[in-house]
Amino acid sequence: ELKVEQNPLFLSMQEGKNYTIYCNYSTTSDRLYWYRQDPGKSLESLFVLLSNGAVKQEGRLMASLDTKARLSTLHITAAVHDLSATYFCAGTTQGGSEKLVFGKGMKLTVNP
Amino acid sequence: DTGVSQNPRHKITKRGQNVTFRCDPISEHNRLYWYRQTLGQGPEFLTYFQNEAQLEKSRLLSDRFSAERPKGSFSTLEIQRTEQGDSAMYLCASSQLNYGYTFGSGTRLTVV
Repeated sequence: ELKVEQNPLFLSMQEGKNYTIYCNYSTTSDRLYWYRQDPGKSLESLFVLLSNGAVKQEGRLMASLDTKARLSTLHITAAVHDLSATYFCAGTTQGGSEKLVFGKGMKLTVNP
Repeated sequence: DTGVSQNPRHKITKRGQNVTFRCDPISEHNRLYWYRQTLGQGPEFLTYFQNEAQLEKSRLLSDRFSAERPKGSFSTLEIQRTEQGDSAMYLCASSQLNYGYTFGSGTRLTVV
């Protein structure tokens, strides 16, 4: 059964700083997703990582995937207040429904 | 196509009442998922449809919950005899094989 763990679960950082958050998963996952969620809102897709060594960047966020280590990272560069949100990673079960299995999420607060 | 639409956005109901939520997926997507998200947690899978067939249900989906997707288009999720523990955000997502998942805005249920 696929399990997804994120750490840290809470992060408070200052604007301008860099940080990396981690997502570990327990069994083989076809793909790894990162989502952003603002309070009371739905999920916004950030990245889909399809293969080992995949790296994607969008603005101040960069995601990578190491399938051998079953690890994905989300790196934040020069954080700004607008990045404050909860970030989820999710893997997919192989075959069948290919449902998403989510981690608990990391609540990020970027302070001026 | 404006994405995945969910109605209502908010629902307050008294304990013991029945409620029904609707999800209109992206029209080309044959896969539809329901998730439940409680405060401070990641979304948890409830059920999956491929076209009109309900192919997977989570153990979370007690017999008070039922979901349908007639004709493979919109889907409904009904909760009978609601309990306070049913209070959550109910999210619908749709996808097409090998493409990403698009989430709706969710229905927030409060059982009083």
